[in-house]
Amino acid sequence: QKEVEQNSGPLSVPEGAIASLNCTYSDRGSQSFFWYRQYSGKSPELIMFIYSNGDKEDGRFTAQLNKASQYVSLLIRDSQPSDSATYLCAVHSGGSYIPTFGRGTSLIVHP
Amino acid sequence: DAGVTQSPTHLIKTRGQQVTLRCSPKSGHDTVSWYQQALGQGPQFIFQYYEEEERQRGNFPDRFSGHQFPNYSSELNVNALLLGDSALYLCASSLTSHQETQYFGPGTRLLVL
Repeated sequence: QKEVEQNSGPLSVPEGAIASLNCTYSDRGSQSFFWYRQYSGKSPELIMFIYSNGDKEDGRFTAQLNKASQYVSLLIRDSQPSDSATYLCAVHSGGSYIPTFGRGTSLIVHP
Repeated sequence: DAGVTQSPTHLIKTRGQQVTLRCSPKSGHDTVSWYQQALGQGPQFIFQYYEEEERQRGNFPDRFSGHQFPNYSSELNVNALLLGDSALYLCASSLTSHQETQYFGPGTRLLVL
């Protein structure tokens, strides 16, 4: 059973702070990792993906991957109230194009 | 450039009924996947269609079936509805050459009474 674990939160951060969202996965054969943002009542929106160990930056977002520790994270710099949403981690195992999603972490950015 | 569209947006059914949900993929995309998202949970993969064939299937009973048309649009059918089928049903489209990059539609919220 492939599992993707996320703390459901809510994670509350002040405006302008760095929000750190974490995700662990059970399948060592996992090869690609995705972060989605989902506003309440809306559908998931792809933020970024990462395949290799290390950091990948895109604007205010940084994805970090550590395959040895089976850990992927998303950092949001200069958090804004508009970043308040649920963040879903999705993991693709080797040879499969079907993602396994975590249950998501609720982020609240307060002014 | 039209994104993924789904219809209807909301639906109320009673136990035992049947429902059909529809999806049009993003322009240029040829692969459609369907997901079920219960409240407070992540999306669960139902199945994926490519070239009008079901290519992969998740852990869902045969009551869940689908179809893909030549124009790549797709339908999800659920028979003998149960209360537990109440959820947000998401369609996601992708290019078969880049299947991992999926774009989700707005979803259909199904309530079974």
